[in-house]
Amino acid sequence: EAGVAQSPRYKIIEKRQSVAFWCNPISGHATLYWYQQILGQGPKLLIQFQNNGVVDDSQLPKDRFSAERLKGVDSTLKIQPAKLEDSAVYLCASSFSGGRGSYNEQFFGPGTRLTVL
Amino acid sequence: GIQVEQSPPDLILQEGANSTLRCNFSDSVNNLQWFHQNPWGQLINLFYIPSGTKQNGRLSATTVATERYSLLYISSSQTTDSGVYFCAVVPREGSGTYKYIFGTGTRLKVLA
Repeated sequence: EAGVAQSPRYKIIEKRQSVAFWCNPISGHATLYWYQQILGQGPKLLIQFQNNGVVDDSQLPKDRFSAERLKGVDSTLKIQPAKLEDSAVYLCASSFSGGRGSYNEQFFGPGTRLTVL
Repeated sequence: GIQVEQSPPDLILQEGANSTLRCNFSDSVNNLQWFHQNPWGQLINLFYIPSGTKQNGRLSATTVATERYSLLYISSSQTTDSGVYFCAVVPREGSGTYKYIFGTGTRLKVLA
């Protein structure tokens, strides 16, 4: 079974530029998550989708970050314009469902390392 | 909100040694997972263990939900065990979104 796919693996941009990350979850997984992991810290949830609907985006900086999952499968996370403090690893994860129990077990992709200069 | 504390924060072992990593959480949880983040940044599932005990090769984990802690045991450590170990929990009381909260992590280095 293929895992969670992410691209690109690395990205370097100048501040105020825009950037987009792509994620394809495990086949059949209804729930998709985007996390931000700053160096030395644990992952922090940015947004959670259930199929193509947003379940939680309370920690997403909506003035510059946006995400979509139009067909309920793959997803794109965008930053526009980027700031220096956005330098981090952006992780995508998926689970069979977002509820209680083992159906909520999350599986992570390899991540995208973003450097903002 | 729930607090998830891991200990020790850093650990250095000689290859072949055993270790115990601890995860304490301040409130009741529905789900709990242990992850290993390797030096390349990949988060690898180790265990889904909201309660009870599980074993997978040299690794085992125990969660005592009533006392709000989980333990990860690594036996006969190898250099490939190096990295950061995270526990992540879903609080029982919440908004219904069942989102995972990650702990502070334990950074492990195994020396050859």
